[in-house]
Amino acid sequence: TQLLEQSPQFLSIQEGENLTVYCNSSSVFSSLQWYRQEPGEGPVLLVTVVTGGEVKKLKRLTFQFGDARKDSSLHITAAQPGDTGLYLCAVVLSGGSYIPTFGRGTSLIVHP
Amino acid sequence: DVKVTQSSRYLVKRTGEKVFLECVQDMDHENMFWYRQDPGLGLRLIYFSYDVKMKEKGDIPEGYSVSREKKERFSLILESASTNQTSMYLCASSLLPQAGYGYTFGSGTRLTVV
Repeated sequence: TQLLEQSPQFLSIQEGENLTVYCNSSSVFSSLQWYRQEPGEGPVLLVTVVTGGEVKKLKRLTFQFGDARKDSSLHITAAQPGDTGLYLCAVVLSGGSYIPTFGRGTSLIVHP
Repeated sequence: DVKVTQSSRYLVKRTGEKVFLECVQDMDHENMFWYRQDPGLGLRLIYFSYDVKMKEKGDIPEGYSVSREKKERFSLILESASTNQTSMYLCASSLLPQAGYGYTFGSGTRLTVV
């Protein structure tokens, strides 16, 4: 059983649509990071959340950290082709190693 | 603009060769990491270092070694390259991962072993 599940695995949408991707853990985590990775490049950090119930906004991206600190979501409003990429979540587990565990990512394609 | 620089974007090596992947960061971070990324498997931690000359094994250290002689440089070494080490290799650094600080990644090195 994988520690960290991201869903959906793949998402293909049209420009202007809204979407939500999810990151779920079987364990409580102390912090969570979201990254976006464009093809052929390294991941780029989008946001770090550390407080249960926390909501952060980055332009058209809204990040939510679940109250129970076991899940998170990323919502994109009015997606654009520039949002295309692999979205990765990474968690630091409570009481465990400080090294983040990465999910396998959601691959998003936004068609013009 | 803070940076993690990986010396090569693409490498092609022969089976059995010794391969060096270099990574340099300019952010004065103590913590540096090497990951490999494969389709369907995500990012897997090979080694990390929390200080000069210190190193710790990650989840998949077999067939790899590392060197951290200076704070800004973290090298990954494939002692005898094999075809199953064909992958995208990503270097990262972080100020305080234990405090929730995220990673800054390099652009990656796509290694092909033939």
